[in-house]
Amino acid sequence: QSVLTQPPSVSGAPGQRVTISCTGSNSNIGAGHVVHWYQQLPGAAPKLLIYDNTNRPSGVPDRFSGSKSGTSASLAITGLQAEDEADYYCQSYDDRTLGGVFGGGTKLTVL
Amino acid sequence: QVQLQESGPGLVKPSETLSLTCAVSGSSLTSAYYWGWIRQPPGKGLEWIGSIYHSGSTYYNPSLKSRITISVDTSKDQFSLKLTSVTAADTAIYYCARLRQQLVPVLFYFDYWGQGILVTVSS
Repeated sequence: QSVLTQPPSVSGAPGQRVTISCTGSNSNIGAGHVVHWYQQLPGAAPKLLIYDNTNRPSGVPDRFSGSKSGTSASLAITGLQAEDEADYYCQSYDDRTLGGVFGGGTKLTVL
Repeated sequence: QVQLQESGPGLVKPSETLSLTCAVSGSSLTSAYYWGWIRQPPGKGLEWIGSIYHSGSTYYNPSLKSRITISVDTSKDQFSLKLTSVTAADTAIYYCARLRQQLVPVLFYFDYWGQGILVTVSS
């Protein structure tokens, strides 16, 4: 049971838009801490996708965007492509653990 | 280009100590970053283990704190993880990563990751 809650899976057809939610509590996202997102391709290490709620590292396509409101955050992917098929994890800081907490991950399937 | 590479035994016996090292290149260990360990049990999600600054200052996940030690050796550009009294529940892929950590305002995210090393706990 992860501290942050994500849907186990989402799917979409090529070209479509999908969103992945991440729900926390008053000790992490609700406390005002920023949310980060990671993409984990099959058999690979996680890769930073979005940091500080909305920022993309260099090289990440603008098809990926993040948002945050209250105790939740969302990752949106537009113009879905086959290579987007991966696991996606949200992460924030938690005042109780004084460290990082992750969501359980969401598997994105491109139909 | 920042690169991290984990190394260590892939098999550890129950009740023994898991020891891993992370070699860093392309980024100085004495720069303004923390360095961390994360693990992922097979088929499951990610768990932050702990992090360290080049000064030796450490932050540990409370759920593992009694069993872990993270240390840094700046002369060798590497940092290490020791996890004692391992059980099958500690079987996981262990990643080392560079960590953007700051208290005011709070920042805490991993911007570069190693490829990971699978450690299996079994007799």
